[in-house]
Amino acid sequence: EAGVAQSPRYKIIEKRQSVAFWCNPISGHATLYWYQQILGQGPKLLIQFQNNGVVDDSQLPKDRFSAERLKGVDSTLKIQPAKLEDSAVYLCASFPKGGQDTDTQYFGPGTRLTVL
Amino acid sequence: AQSVTQLDSHVSVSEGTPVLLRCNYSSSYSPSLFWYVQHPNKGLQLLLKYTSAATLVKGINGFEAEFKKSETSFHLTKPSAHMSDAAEYFCVVSDWGKLIFGQGTELSVKP
Repeated sequence: EAGVAQSPRYKIIEKRQSVAFWCNPISGHATLYWYQQILGQGPKLLIQFQNNGVVDDSQLPKDRFSAERLKGVDSTLKIQPAKLEDSAVYLCASFPKGGQDTDTQYFGPGTRLTVL
Repeated sequence: AQSVTQLDSHVSVSEGTPVLLRCNYSSSYSPSLFWYVQHPNKGLQLLLKYTSAATLVKGINGFEAEFKKSETSFHLTKPSAHMSDAAEYFCVVSDWGKLIFGQGTELSVKP
């Protein structure tokens, strides 16, 4: 089966600009996650969707970050305006069913964002 | 709250020697634990997972991990390191579907 797709793979922007990332999960996976991985750290959850609804966005900096999952399939994550500290790899993951610890999350290759 | 602590930020071994990457967890209930590997510029790949069945879990590429409740540990081992094992390894605990990652251990393998 096809894996989780993300684009772009790399993005370089100036601070205060806006940027958007796209994720296409594995077909049929109801749950989708966005993680932020700062260099030298483990990924940190930003937001979790179940179908097209938000389950958890407690770690999302909502003053500048937004995310949506229209129709419960693809998702976009936006940053506006970007700050230097947003430089990171943004990972998307999908999950075959929600809330089951025994199931495996499948990760995309990530988008590496550099803010200058 | 669930958490994991990886005890070493960097481990260096020689090719053909054993690998040990250490992880301690904190959980208020029986946890689901995972080890993921991340090669440079690649996505995260699941190595193995513990879900309260057998305490010794075998994963891909010859890796295995043992769940020890008394020690709250979930260390990752491999009998013989290969050059291709050089990567970043993450110990992860699941909190009702949300993954909480450790800081990572970078494994270097010397020829």
